[in-house]
Amino acid sequence: GDSVTQMEGPVTLSEEAFLTINCTYTATGYPSLFWYVQYPGEGLQLLLKATKADDKGSNKGFEATYRKETTSFHLEKGSVQVSDSAVYFCALSDPRSGGSNYKLTFGKGTLLTVNP
Amino acid sequence: GAGVSQTPSNKVTEKGKYVELRCDPISGHTALYWYRQSLGQGPEFLIYFQGTGAADDSGLPNDRFFAVRPEGSVSTLKIQRTERGDSAVYLCASSFGLRNTGELFFGEGSRLTVL
Repeated sequence: GDSVTQMEGPVTLSEEAFLTINCTYTATGYPSLFWYVQYPGEGLQLLLKATKADDKGSNKGFEATYRKETTSFHLEKGSVQVSDSAVYFCALSDPRSGGSNYKLTFGKGTLLTVNP
Repeated sequence: GAGVSQTPSNKVTEKGKYVELRCDPISGHTALYWYRQSLGQGPEFLIYFQGTGAADDSGLPNDRFFAVRPEGSVSTLKIQRTERGDSAVYLCASSFGLRNTGELFFGEGSRLTVL
C-alpha cells in the first residue's frame, strides 16, 4: 500500500539556520504530495502542496519539489525562525480515491525546535 | 468560531464503555474526514463523508467503530466496547468537497484515553 517515510526527529536548530526535512514515498500511480504543519496547541494545517512531477510548492519561505525519479518531496527553508517550531508531516493523497476524496497517508511527523 | 470544532477535547473512559466524539465542520464544507493519531505516529484515515453519506469507510478498524453525519454537517464518531488500544487523538477535518484543492482543515482533535 501507499506509505510515506520522513526524517526522524526531533530536529533542533538555531535561528537563521538552513532546514531540510526529508520525505520519500511509495505509491501506486501519481499521488499529490503535501506538507502539513501542527503548531503547539493548534490543529494540522496545510503548509504547501504539489500535484505533479517537478512541481514546486512554496509558502512562508518553505519549499518542496515533487521528484518522481527519487520519489521524494523534501521540505526546505533557507532561514528558520523561532516561530517555525512545530511538528511537520509529509503526506500523499491516494490517486485511486478519485473525485473529491482526499484520503491522505501521513508520515510519522518531525518535531522541529528552533532556538533563539 | 470559523474553524473545525471537536468536542470533547479530552475524554477518559473505562475499558468496555461506549464513547461518542463530535465534529462540527467549517460551514459550507461538504466533505468531512475522521483520522486517528496514535502516540508517535502520523494521522491514519478512518472514514470520509461526502454530504450525509459515508463514501469511504475503509479505514475503520473494526465494527466497534461507526460514524454518522445525518444532516450533512455535524458528525459523530461512535466507539463501542472501548479497548485500551483505542487510546489516541481522533482528528476531524473538512473541505470543500467537489471544489477541493487538496487542502483539509483540521480540528484540534479529541484525545481519548481508555483505562
